[in-house]
Amino acid sequence: AQTVTQSQPEMSVQEAETVTLSCTYDTSESDYYLFWYKQPPSRQMILVIRQEAYKQQNATENRFSVNFQKAAKSFSLKISDSQLGDAAMYFCAYRDGNKLVFGAGTILRVKS
Amino acid sequence: ETGVTQSPTHLIKTRGQQVTLRCSSQSGHNTVSWYQQALGQGPQFIFQYYREEENGRGNFPPRFSGLQFPNYSSELNVNALELDDSALYLCASSLSSLGVGEQYFGPGTRLTVL
Repeated sequence: AQTVTQSQPEMSVQEAETVTLSCTYDTSESDYYLFWYKQPPSRQMILVIRQEAYKQQNATENRFSVNFQKAAKSFSLKISDSQLGDAAMYFCAYRDGNKLVFGAGTILRVKS
Repeated sequence: ETGVTQSPTHLIKTRGQQVTLRCSSQSGHNTVSWYQQALGQGPQFIFQYYREEENGRGNFPPRFSGLQFPNYSSELNVNALELDDSALYLCASSLSSLGVGEQYFGPGTRLTVL
């Protein structure tokens, strides 16, 4: 079974600084999708960024970018110019067929 | 365009009771997935409904059951509630059961079992 591991239970970043959240996964598939979701205190899970494994280029969405290392099965999220609104729980997820497999999450705190 | 909605927001039940949670999918979406998120953990897949049929199930006992209606809204039913069923229940809708279809999540229902 596919597994997703987020080794950082909690991270802190100063406003306007850059932070990287780590994620590793295990799969025997060659083509798959990876996601980062944000869950603020309002609880609604919001898609931050998506990466398709067959694409070599790392995905970027405004201040959010990923470092996708397929051979190492690593999928980290970089948040640049951190804002107070970025404070949330961040989940890394792997698409396994028709379902998402989530990691345990990383709480991101943003200091002003 | 209406997003994914869930009702109720919060619910308190006692052990042994039954509960029904509801989800309205985003306009145009024919697939609904349900997830259970225990406190401090990532969501766990319960099952998915595609065109009114169950289309995959996670490691949950049969007392977790569901329905999808012709308008693609969905219900999650849990019988014989146990204390460990206390969690946030999330539903997510998508355009298709597979492929690149992104899953859009609702705000969840917080279930507390006493």
